[in-house]
Amino acid sequence: AQTVTQSQPEMSVQEAETVTLSCTYDTSESDYYLFWYKQPPSRQMILVIRQEAYKQQNATENRFSVNFQKAAKSFSLKISDSQLGDAAMYFCAYEMDSNYQLIWGAGTKLIIKP
Amino acid sequence: EAQVTQNPRYLITVTGKKLTVTCSQNMNHEYMSWYRQDPGLGLRQIYYSMNVEVTDKGDVPEGYKVSRKEKRNFPLILESPSPNQTSLYFCASSLGLAGGPILNEQFFGPGTRLTVL
Repeated sequence: AQTVTQSQPEMSVQEAETVTLSCTYDTSESDYYLFWYKQPPSRQMILVIRQEAYKQQNATENRFSVNFQKAAKSFSLKISDSQLGDAAMYFCAYEMDSNYQLIWGAGTKLIIKP
Repeated sequence: EAQVTQNPRYLITVTGKKLTVTCSQNMNHEYMSWYRQDPGLGLRQIYYSMNVEVTDKGDVPEGYKVSRKEKRNFPLILESPSPNQTSLYFCASSLGLAGGPILNEQFFGPGTRLTVL
């Protein structure tokens, strides 16, 4: 069965600095998709970035980028120039190609220090 | 505005009293899903639906029912709620088979905080 592990329950970073959140997953599939979602205190789930497993190039969305290592089954999220609005729970999720089911990690709480 | 709506947003009830949480999307999405979120566990899928009249169990379906009579609606039914169903519930939708992987982002509702006493 597929599993997703986020080993950092909580991370803190100084405003304007860079932080990396880690995510590892276990799967025997070759085609799948990986996502990072953000959940601010409002509880709304917001897609941050996504990566197709068949693409070698790492996805980037403005200040957010990923380091996707398929062989190591690792999918870390880097946030550059951290802002106070980045404070939230961040969830890593894996989606099988076959049925769109999302498997979620337990989340990492990101604290931004002003 | 494209959105997924859920009602109610907050609900406190007692053990055994049947309840329904509604979910509706206005994006003509084929795929809809229900999740529950518990501290330290992330989100776990309860049920999902690939299209009208097609529903399947997720990872934690016990104690829940769903129906998909219309494309836009996907209600979650708790026939006899118990305290272990106290949780935060999310409905989500996506294009599903109608889109490709690039378009298959899941859109989430605002969540329903359920407390069962």
